[in-house]
Amino acid sequence: GAGVSQSPSNKVTEKGKDVELRCDPISGHTALYWYRQSLGQGLEFLIYFQGNSAPDKSGLPSDRFSAERTGGSVSTLTIQRTQQEDSAVYLCASSLEAGYAGWNEQFFGPGTRLTVL
Amino acid sequence: RKEVEQDPGPFNVPEGATVAFNCTYSNSASQSFFWYRQDCRKEPKLLMSVYSSGNEDGRFTAQLNRASQYISLLIRDSKLSDSATYLCVVKRVSDTGNQFYFGTGTSLTVIP
Repeated sequence: GAGVSQSPSNKVTEKGKDVELRCDPISGHTALYWYRQSLGQGLEFLIYFQGNSAPDKSGLPSDRFSAERTGGSVSTLTIQRTQQEDSAVYLCASSLEAGYAGWNEQFFGPGTRLTVL
Repeated sequence: RKEVEQDPGPFNVPEGATVAFNCTYSNSASQSFFWYRQDCRKEPKLLMSVYSSGNEDGRFTAQLNRASQYISLLIRDSKLSDSATYLCVVKRVSDTGNQFYFGTGTSLTVIP
């Protein structure tokens, strides 16, 4: 079946511009996560959506970053006034929640490679 | 203290060797455990879940020690295609739901 998809796959932008990154999770997955990964570094958690609950925004690095999830499905990560340090791969993952913990793993999309010039 | 800690390596091993990766986690309330594999410039993919009794999948064996809060991955008869970064992942219920915590990864290169 279809996995997690992300668009665009690559985005080059100029410093100061706004960008929007899109994630389509696996159908039926209620949990959606955004991470970013700089070259040679580990995954940095950004934000987590679970069903209709308020998102966990604890990982967003600044108020220039925001995300929405409409209708419990597609999510958009927006970065305003981009800076060069925002350059990274932005990964989206979804998971089938099963209440208390459970063994449901995360499935990752291919990522969006953002380059801020 | 980080939620999940791994030896970053790199591990450079010859083909056919056995190699072991270790990982520790800090929160005893953690409930589910996984090893993910990430190839260069690709997204992480699940390698295997780690069960309390330990589990094996072909050349890969995962072990969990809840008392020591320690997870391991053993790869036997290493292949060139095993070259990747291996991520230790721990899942637990946080204030906002089920949260995943990732180690920074252990780099493995299998040499011909």
